[in-house]
Amino acid sequence: KQEVTQIPAALSVPEGENLVLNCSFTDSAIYNLQWFRQDPGKGLTSLLLIQSSQREQTSGRLNASLDKSSGRSTLYIAASQPGDSATYLCAFWVNQAGTALIFGKGTTLSVSS
Amino acid sequence: EPEVTQTPSHQVTQMGQEVILRCVPISNHLYFYWYRQILGQKVEFLVSFYNNEISEKSEIFDDQFSVERPDGSNFTLKIRSTKLEDSAMYFCASSVIEGGELFFGEGSRLTVL
Repeated sequence: KQEVTQIPAALSVPEGENLVLNCSFTDSAIYNLQWFRQDPGKGLTSLLLIQSSQREQTSGRLNASLDKSSGRSTLYIAASQPGDSATYLCAFWVNQAGTALIFGKGTTLSVSS
Repeated sequence: EPEVTQTPSHQVTQMGQEVILRCVPISNHLYFYWYRQILGQKVEFLVSFYNNEISEKSEIFDDQFSVERPDGSNFTLKIRSTKLEDSAMYFCASSVIEGGELFFGEGSRLTVL
């Protein structure tokens, strides 16, 4: 059974710090991987999608990488801001035919000013 | 920017009652999904829907659950006889292609008493 693990479960940093969130999965035969942001009591906002043929994607201060051979993805946040405080979730499709995303439990980030 | 919309945002119901949660996916999207998140737990897949039929469903999606696309815009999740353990946030999502970037709504919080 595919499992997604996100480390750390929670992270507190001062404003301006660069940080890395980790996501690992048990089976390297994944298809696409997507990172989301979730604010308390709210829906999921898509941040980045890394397709199976790609190794990384960038959007503004965010950079996500994917290493299927090691079963890992990282989300890099540069120059963190208090507005970045949220829970960050990674999720992947097992294969192209799979229509279900498998989610990790998330990393809850708190950025203090 | 196009978005997935869900109604109601919060519904309180008595155990054994029927509940219908409604979603309007993004207009040019072809794949539709329901996920749920019990408080403090992972986002879990319920069902995917394409071309007016279920593509895939999880073990959670038992005979008490059904989905329907009654017209060209709405996508509904029905729970026939709610149980206490159905209390959760239910998210609708849609994508243009299979395995493509998934866009989520803000969720419908269901409380079963």
